[in-house]
Amino acid sequence: NAGVTQTPKFQVLKTGQSMTLQCAQDMNHEYMSWYRQDPGMGLRLIHYSVGAGITDQGEVPNGYNVSRSTTEDFPLRLLSAAPSQTSVYFCASSYSRDTSYEQYFGPGTRLTVT
Amino acid sequence: GENVEQHPSTLSVQEGDSAVIKCTYSDSASNYFPWYKQELGKRPQLIIDIRSNVGEKKDQRIAVTLNKTAKHFSLHITETQPEDSAVYFCAASRGSGTYKYIFGTGTRLKVLA
Repeated sequence: NAGVTQTPKFQVLKTGQSMTLQCAQDMNHEYMSWYRQDPGMGLRLIHYSVGAGITDQGEVPNGYNVSRSTTEDFPLRLLSAAPSQTSVYFCASSYSRDTSYEQYFGPGTRLTVT
Repeated sequence: GENVEQHPSTLSVQEGDSAVIKCTYSDSASNYFPWYKQELGKRPQLIIDIRSNVGEKKDQRIAVTLNKTAKHFSLHITETQPEDSAVYFCAASRGSGTYKYIFGTGTRLKVLA
């Protein structure tokens, strides 16, 4: 199993450009999430999905779109990049079972917006 | 809104001493409380978790305690080692159904040799 994969690992954008961060998992997990990590602010939830075709907003959804057409993929779209979106982005997936809802994180994408 | 507060933000201990990190959550419907460890430049990884029907859970040198009435939970690391140095995050979730994790802001633990 590759687990949770993310591409690209690094990206530099100019203000106003758009792009898609890719996330895929091969563990047949029902739940997937996107977080951004900024210094001193921990991991903040952007969007999440509880299954194919179902998405919902997290704490900081503005400026981002998601879709979940398959169980495996959960791309994050930046519509018009802004310097405030400079961050490290993590995708995570999990399943629910009786005692744990452990999230598995991808390696992250470091995004810089100039 | 839902919130998780985590203290302290930094913690330095001597090797072999114990470390305690505390979190407080606001959503009384939360029932799942994981702790993640993140080494520099790497992804967060789960080290221990606890459900709301349990007051304490232990795994070798790490333990988590939960006080549901006070909405507090804590991570305890005993006999600390240099490789325990990392950033630790707590989180709270309603678990199955609504599925939404809220993370604390992290604690940078330094274990001094």
